[in-house]
Amino acid sequence: EAGVAQSPRYKIIEKRQSVAFWCNPISGHATLYWYQQILGQGPKLLIQFQNNGVVDDSQLPKDRFSAERLKGVDSTLKIQPAKLEDSAVYLCASSLDLGGLTDTQYFGPGTRLTVL
Amino acid sequence: AQKVTQAQTEISVVEKEDVTLDCVYETRDTTYYLFWYKQPPSGELVFLIRRNSFDEQNEISGRYSWNFQKSTSSFNFTITASQVVDSAVYFCALSRYGGSQGNLIFGKGTKLSVKP
Repeated sequence: EAGVAQSPRYKIIEKRQSVAFWCNPISGHATLYWYQQILGQGPKLLIQFQNNGVVDDSQLPKDRFSAERLKGVDSTLKIQPAKLEDSAVYLCASSLDLGGLTDTQYFGPGTRLTVL
Repeated sequence: AQKVTQAQTEISVVEKEDVTLDCVYETRDTTYYLFWYKQPPSGELVFLIRRNSFDEQNEISGRYSWNFQKSTSSFNFTITASQVVDSAVYFCALSRYGGSQGNLIFGKGTKLSVKP
C-alpha cells in the first residue's frame, strides 16, 4: 500500500515570496492533516480536513497561510507571503474515518522549507 | 489543556544497552489516546504504537516495550538491546477520543543516539 506522498521535498525561497506544498494521502483515508515542525520541536497542527471540509484550522495563520482539499483527496498548503519564521518542515498526515473514533495518523516524508 | 512532556532532550547509549524514553502527559479528558512515533534522519514520522486510556495493559513487541500508568500520567517506551538503527528522534503524542478531535499533541521529542 502506498504511503502519504508529498512534494516538493525541499524548497528554498526569499522572504515575501509565495510557496505551495502538495499532499496525496493514503488511498481511502478521509481525514487529512497538515502539521508544521520547527527545528527542535514536535509537530504542531495547522489544519485538519474531513473529506473536503475543514474540521479544525484554529492554529492556521490565516493572514498568510491557506489550504484546500477540493475533491476530498489531494491537498495543497500555500504560504503567501513567507516570513523567516516559516522555515520548518511541513508534514502531511492522513487517517481513516472510523465514524467518530480516533484512528492512527500516517505521515508523509515532509517538505523542508527554508526562507532566506 | 492538553500537554505532553518529554524531559529527556538527548540520550546517548552504546549498542546493546537498554534505554527507556520517558513521557508524561496532561489532559482533562477521561478517554484519550497515546502514541509513540519515531523520526529517523530521513524526516518521516513512523508510527510505533497507539494505546487508549482504558487499556493499561503493557505490551512487548520484539525489542520494544511500553509502560502505561494512568495513575502517574506516564507512557514510557523501552528499547531492549539497542541497535545503531534505533538512532532517531522519538515523539510521544496525545489525542482526544473522537474522529473530529483527532489532532495530535506532540512532545518536543527525545533524540536517541546509539553508538556502535
